[in-house]
Amino acid sequence: AQKVTQAQTEISVVEKEDVTLDCVYETRDTTYYLFWYKQPPSGELVFLIRRNSFDEQNEISGRYSWNFQKSTSSFNFTITASQVVDSAVYFCALSEAKGGSQGNLIFGKGTKLSVKP
Amino acid sequence: DTEVTQTPKHLVMGMTNKKSLKCEQHMGHRAMYWYKQKAKKPPELMFVYSYEKLSINESVPSRFSPECPNSSLLNLHLHALQPEDSALYLCASSLSGSSYNEQFFGPGTRLTVL
Repeated sequence: AQKVTQAQTEISVVEKEDVTLDCVYETRDTTYYLFWYKQPPSGELVFLIRRNSFDEQNEISGRYSWNFQKSTSSFNFTITASQVVDSAVYFCALSEAKGGSQGNLIFGKGTKLSVKP
Repeated sequence: DTEVTQTPKHLVMGMTNKKSLKCEQHMGHRAMYWYKQKAKKPPELMFVYSYEKLSINESVPSRFSPECPNSSLLNLHLHALQPEDSALYLCASSLSGSSYNEQFFGPGTRLTVL
């Protein structure tokens, strides 16, 4: 069964703190894709990153970094030196290559991040 | 143009009304999606169109009727909705609908059913 778990419902930090958002996934497919999306209060989901199951390299983009570990089925997201503009709900999502669910995004429940000045 | 646009932004309708939500993209994407999102919940997939054909219908009630007039447009026709259908309706598109394609989302339509 496919599933994405974001155990942290809400996180509150003070500006400039580092924060890590956890994501654990379950899938039987050997080929799959993991995504992170940001949803600010305005409502639009913004694509942040895609990672495929064969590429375990970590990625850094500015203040954002992602740690993909197949051994623990985790794809964690770290924001360094957080800013107020990072306040949003962050969703981790899984897409499987097989099984009639091609292209379907299986979302976690989301983590609401509040960054206070 | 890397935008998905949705109209209207807000919609209030009675249970006997008929209304439509519209979605448009000009990125040349061939897959388009409708999602429903309730407050504090993740988006739930409703429909997927791939190359203008309905490929996935996630057991959505018939009071929601999707339409894809061409590869750039996606409509969602609403009829005889219930108050529990009040939600944010998100449209998305992706290059081909493959599992590795990221989806680009519109800003959504906030629907209130009275």
